[in-house]
Amino acid sequence: QVQLQESGPGLVNPSETLSLTCTVSGGSISSYYWSWIRQPPGKGLEWIGYIYYSGSTNYNPSLESRVTISLDTSKNQFSLKLRSVTAADTAVYYCARLKNGYSYGYGLDSWGQGTLVTVSS
Amino acid sequence: QTVVTQEPSLTVSPGGTVTLTCASSTGAVTSGYYPNWFQQKPGQAPTALIYSTTNRHSWTPARFSGSLLGGKAALTLSGVQPEDEADYYCLLYYGDAHLGVFGGGTKVTVL
Repeated sequence: QVQLQESGPGLVNPSETLSLTCTVSGGSISSYYWSWIRQPPGKGLEWIGYIYYSGSTNYNPSLESRVTISLDTSKNQFSLKLRSVTAADTAVYYCARLKNGYSYGYGLDSWGQGTLVTVSS
Repeated sequence: QTVVTQEPSLTVSPGGTVTLTCASSTGAVTSGYYPNWFQQKPGQAPTALIYSTTNRHSWTPARFSGSLLGGKAALTLSGVQPEDEADYYCLLYYGDAHLGVFGGGTKVTVL
């Protein structure tokens, strides 16, 4: 079973850039899609976007102007950058694998434990 | 803006059956939206239950089943156990999986 672990600063100043990394173990990042999801405290899940192992990306239109997801196959990691953050970006951020296949369809099967990022000065 | 709607809360008795639904503001949900369902307990990361409408993951108990019902995706819990008390989220994919949208979640209480 593949395992994912988020890492990065737990506190970010308003207007700065939030940067998180997800390290994948037990499987190669050179297949499938790799996703970011967030959850503000006490609220529901929000889909941020994903990167395909080929490097192509898709983002939530509401965040697209501020988000970049990238891949580092040499380290088996992928990353999230969210620019110009405000208090509204305070959330638990999860990374997850989106598995796909002809007969499989699409399924977010493996999730990291999540990391809380607070935006505050 | 695409909105995915779930019941805010449902209550079920132990051993009973409950069905959660997931509707799209764009119209009827079909298998082409690849509905996924997740369970989340307090303080924990979500756990995947169902993918591509009806398929259980290898770890998903058989009492959880997914389907399409009346133009919506549905998750049915049969023989409910106390440990099934949790929040449940659906996820729909749009535009050949180019965009994912989560529902607002359903809080299931076992009472």
